[in-house]
Amino acid sequence: QSVLTQPPSASGTPGQRVTISCSGSSSNIGSNTVNWYQQLPGTAPKLLIYSNNQRPSGVPDRFSGSKSGTSASLAISGLQSEDEADYYCAAWDDSLNGGVFGGGTKLTVL
Amino acid sequence: QVTLKESGPVLVKPTETLTLTCTVSGFSLSNARMGVSWIRQPPGKALEWLAHIFSNDEKSYSTSLKSRLTISKDTSKSQVVLTMTNMDPVDTATYYCARTLPGKGQGYYYYMDVWGKGTTVTVSS
Repeated sequence: QSVLTQPPSASGTPGQRVTISCSGSSSNIGSNTVNWYQQLPGTAPKLLIYSNNQRPSGVPDRFSGSKSGTSASLAISGLQSEDEADYYCAAWDDSLNGGVFGGGTKLTVL
Repeated sequence: QVTLKESGPVLVKPTETLTLTCTVSGFSLSNARMGVSWIRQPPGKALEWLAHIFSNDEKSYSTSLKSRLTISKDTSKSQVVLTMTNMDPVDTATYYCARTLPGKGQGYYYYMDVWGKGTTVTVSS
């Protein structure tokens, strides 16, 4: 059971906007920043969003992140077939004094 | 270009100690406020954070695995080493190392920006 809660799956058609939620608590998302990672099949995770809403260079602006209270969201607009991947949220947990990940959301592009 | 490469045994026996090495290039382990994290992923399962070490030698460990993990670094060799004792079949996973940088915002604001390709470790007799 992951400390951060994500829906196991999400889907959308090309061009649609999809959001993936990440729910935590006051000791993790409520106190610290949230990062998002994309993992394409058979590859290592890749940083998608850091510090709640910052995009690393090279990440398309179709990807955006937000945080409110003890929850965070990743939004993908203009969905493309190459966005089909697993997405993970992550944060630091002050109570555990360690990093925590969500259980991952498998995004399917229909 | 920043790269990280994990290396270690492919197969270990139950109760043995696993030693993994992360060799970095394109940055120095002595760079201020920079660190390296270890993360693992069992087959078909989610990512799990294991430990990190920073340039000032600050270390943190997963609470559930703390008694079994040791992280260290050799700046001159550009290497970070993770050891895990008393290996069990449930520890079968792909193990990743990732550079860890400070972002911005409140609280803990570090993130993992560049990841290695990972090394797969199977625990079996």
